[in-house]
Amino acid sequence: DGGITQSPKYLFRKEGQNVTLSCEQNLNHDAMYWYRQDPGQGLRLIYYSQIVNDFQKGDIAEGYSVSREKKESFPLTVTSAQKNPTAFYLCASTYGRAYNSPLHFGNGTRLTVT
Amino acid sequence: SQELEQSPQSLIVQEGKNLTINCTSSKTLYGLYWYKQKYGEGLIFLMMLQKGGEEKSHEKITAKLDEKKQQSSLHITASQPSHAGIYLCGAPRKTSYDKVIFGPGTSLSVIP
Repeated sequence: DGGITQSPKYLFRKEGQNVTLSCEQNLNHDAMYWYRQDPGQGLRLIYYSQIVNDFQKGDIAEGYSVSREKKESFPLTVTSAQKNPTAFYLCASTYGRAYNSPLHFGNGTRLTVT
Repeated sequence: SQELEQSPQSLIVQEGKNLTINCTSSKTLYGLYWYKQKYGEGLIFLMMLQKGGEEKSHEKITAKLDEKKQQSSLHITASQPSHAGIYLCGAPRKTSYDKVIFGPGTSLSVIP
């Protein structure tokens, strides 16, 4: 079955460490997205990528980095520069342009940094 | 401030009751998506609305986009415990059609 796989589901890290969240899709979608979800704040866009080897900053990109070396993969690195990294992270993808093609989401990774 | 507002923030209804969730934008929307989320899980796509006045239904859920394309409503008829979750509206930004923003969500509980 086609879908978006995020791993791991739960991740624990010590403050000061970088951590990479995995996102893989087999939907043959061109665009991929990373969102962060905090209680009561909905989803906030971190980074998005329309094609391989290209990506754009979202609204809260500081302290995060991404790469898009393959169409199927869009890993997110949470660096030690991110002041409040504890959150629920969601990866999404879409086939066409987001204004006429809904995003499909993975099941998320809950990151806890202590 | 949120570019998409949702009301109410939370809702508790008795099973069998009807309910409505609203999503409002201060700017014209270029499409509006409704999603449902179970706690700790990803978002499930419900419906997409693009034209002013458009209305779509799926099972007991109906969504409508107003003529001005600044407000959408999600209506659930005869609610069931399976409808419980967080409902989020999302929309592409006018300045960048590839950026999708989301409202803060409405938490729905259905009491059997």
